[in-house]
Amino acid sequence: DAKTTQPNSMESNEEEPVHLPCNHSTISGTDYIHWYRQLPSQGPEYVIHGLTSNVNNRMASLAIAEDRKSSTLILHRATLRDAAVYYCILRLGAGGTSYGKLTFGQGTILTVHP
Amino acid sequence: DAGVIQSPRHEVTEMGQEVTLRCKPISGHNSLFWYRQTMMRGLELLIYFNNNVPIDDSGMPEDRFSAKMPNASFSTLKIQPSEPRDSAVYFCASSFSGGRTDTQYFGPGTRLTVL
Repeated sequence: DAKTTQPNSMESNEEEPVHLPCNHSTISGTDYIHWYRQLPSQGPEYVIHGLTSNVNNRMASLAIAEDRKSSTLILHRATLRDAAVYYCILRLGAGGTSYGKLTFGQGTILTVHP
Repeated sequence: DAGVIQSPRHEVTEMGQEVTLRCKPISGHNSLFWYRQTMMRGLELLIYFNNNVPIDDSGMPEDRFSAKMPNASFSTLKIQPSEPRDSAVYFCASSFSGGRTDTQYFGPGTRLTVL
């Protein structure tokens, strides 16, 4: 599996935007970029994913570099509830034989200050 | 939708005892994943099933670990005999594989402590 690199930790203030970076220089053309987050004492939850184009959903936005070697998860207005570990994961496209297998790295610990 | 259900939520046992963790995936999902999370090793995939068939068990640490999925609505992860180093949080996740996103939905986890 192609690897991702994320900062160990980041801090933000409440109601400010947060940009969480992820480097994936060995990404292949069929790899989707997925983001999951894990709130304290909970299982991971899906945030967003994309292939080439920027994506928006109710939780966040995903900005993907033109060469796809990096991406940024954007939380437009951080809340205290957004404090979590954020994982950037590369995954083969839907279908095929991977059956959606995810390989988690260490992620980025996001701290949100009131 | 009840989400992925895991039981028990907490388990404390003594070394050498058999431990069975249970998981009920989301109805309609055809893939099921077992993960283990520790501070030292992070979140590791142990095994995953598709249509009740084990696809990849390369993450299972030892023969003491076994997993079954007798039907689409139930899976177990068994450790026999348990050891203190098995102490961790075990997560079960399910997804519909073959759809556009294959999003995984995680259960709340089982916190296992082996004394």
